[in-house]
Amino acid sequence: DSGVTQTPKHLITATGQRVTLRCSPRSGDLSVYWYQQSLDQGLQFLIQYYNGEERAKGNILERFSAQQFPDLHSELNLSSLELGDSALYFCASSPHGTSVDTQYFGPGTRLTVL
Amino acid sequence: QQQVKQSPQSLIVQKGGISIINCAYENTAFDYFPWYQQFPGKGPALLIAIRPDVSEKKEGRFTISFNKSAKQFSLHIMDSQPGDSATYFCAATSAGNQFYFGTGTSLTVIP
Repeated sequence: DSGVTQTPKHLITATGQRVTLRCSPRSGDLSVYWYQQSLDQGLQFLIQYYNGEERAKGNILERFSAQQFPDLHSELNLSSLELGDSALYFCASSPHGTSVDTQYFGPGTRLTVL
Repeated sequence: QQQVKQSPQSLIVQKGGISIINCAYENTAFDYFPWYQQFPGKGPALLIAIRPDVSEKKEGRFTISFNKSAKQFSLHIMDSQPGDSATYFCAATSAGNQFYFGTGTSLTVIP
């Protein structure tokens, strides 16, 4: 158990809908990362937050947005969902968000868009 | 464009053998190269990592070899065990701001 929690574990929804994925980092970790893992794209970095502020952006679509709240939990919002958004979404946390910080991954949320 | 290229896609090794997974990168600004291990149904977990100022790092049966001039690094798993069967990802980052992952290698260790 990494100490990172993600809810829900599974999510099934329809095209065009909007969903919110939630992540609680390990106690004391200030940085949160979001990743998308699909069979054809592998593990893709989406976005990083550090202590409530966006620090880095990767291959995140404009239909997707995220935020980190004062209690350090984070939410990833996915809107106007398409079939291709079906994937595993992982959240990871690290103490300070630097290169050498170990990232601890949560168990993931499996999103299925029908 | 794939920032980190990983091979092979899959690997089958006999128990006790050596598993070798290779990665290559282009961006010379990368300053940290971690390897992650992922079991089915779980999130990736950090296995071992290296900085570009050393050529090799060993932790137990796991060794990273790093060739800065060739912009390549590899993971060696010595005395491979069935419990090592998992998917392995190499990654690279610059200042920890954005992590680029390889496409993964599915390792199967046959008893």
